[in-house]
Amino acid sequence: QQPVQSPQAVILREGEDAVINCSSSKALYSVHWYRQKHGEAPVFLMILLKGGEQKGHEKISASFNEKKQQSSLYLTASQLSYSGTYFCGTEERGDNAGNMLTFGGGTRLMVKP
Amino acid sequence: NAGVTQTPKFRILKIGQSMTLQCTQDMNHNYMYWYRQDPGMGLKLIYYSVGAGITDKGEVPNGYNVSRSTTEDFPLRLELAAPSQTSVYFCASSYIGTGAYEQYFGPGTRLTVT
Repeated sequence: QQPVQSPQAVILREGEDAVINCSSSKALYSVHWYRQKHGEAPVFLMILLKGGEQKGHEKISASFNEKKQQSSLYLTASQLSYSGTYFCGTEERGDNAGNMLTFGGGTRLMVKP
Repeated sequence: NAGVTQTPKFRILKIGQSMTLQCTQDMNHNYMYWYRQDPGMGLKLIYYSVGAGITDKGEVPNGYNVSRSTTEDFPLRLELAAPSQTSVYFCASSYIGTGAYEQYFGPGTRLTVT
């Protein structure tokens, strides 16, 4: 079952902030965030691991609530270049470790001048 | 480093035809993946490989086959193409050790089956 992202779409003015949420019904090992621009491949933004470790983009912050299996991506002082579709990918790591991700349906973000 | 490369970029197939989508990575990554992305949707895992000679099914494997004879290459084979296989196909790779590691995506192959 894929994680649920909200909102599905958001429109911002340059300089405004946004929060994108990702929620799973399963116990997670990590949450990955990617951004995809139209017609391009997804690009890595951030990984959040169970236990609090983070790895990723300097200018983007995120949180991972292990108890609720929820993650949020925080985009502050948005720029035009932030426009695109944001996907979360969730990983459950059982016996078969391997970074298998289940992706959410995406959040479309548009930043206007 | 070229990263992950995919060929072809675009392809139109007729129903019942077959083809192979090529994927190569030059980062010495042990894990490789094939995803499909339908319009306006997220990515769905078709197959993955944890190393040369080892492959396994993902969420949507029906109608596809893979092989991995080398660390670098992970081709995806479509047999008897159907309109439902019209999609954008992304190959990705990752190095897996301890912890979690980002996946690097290729530019994609846009496939239309008519």
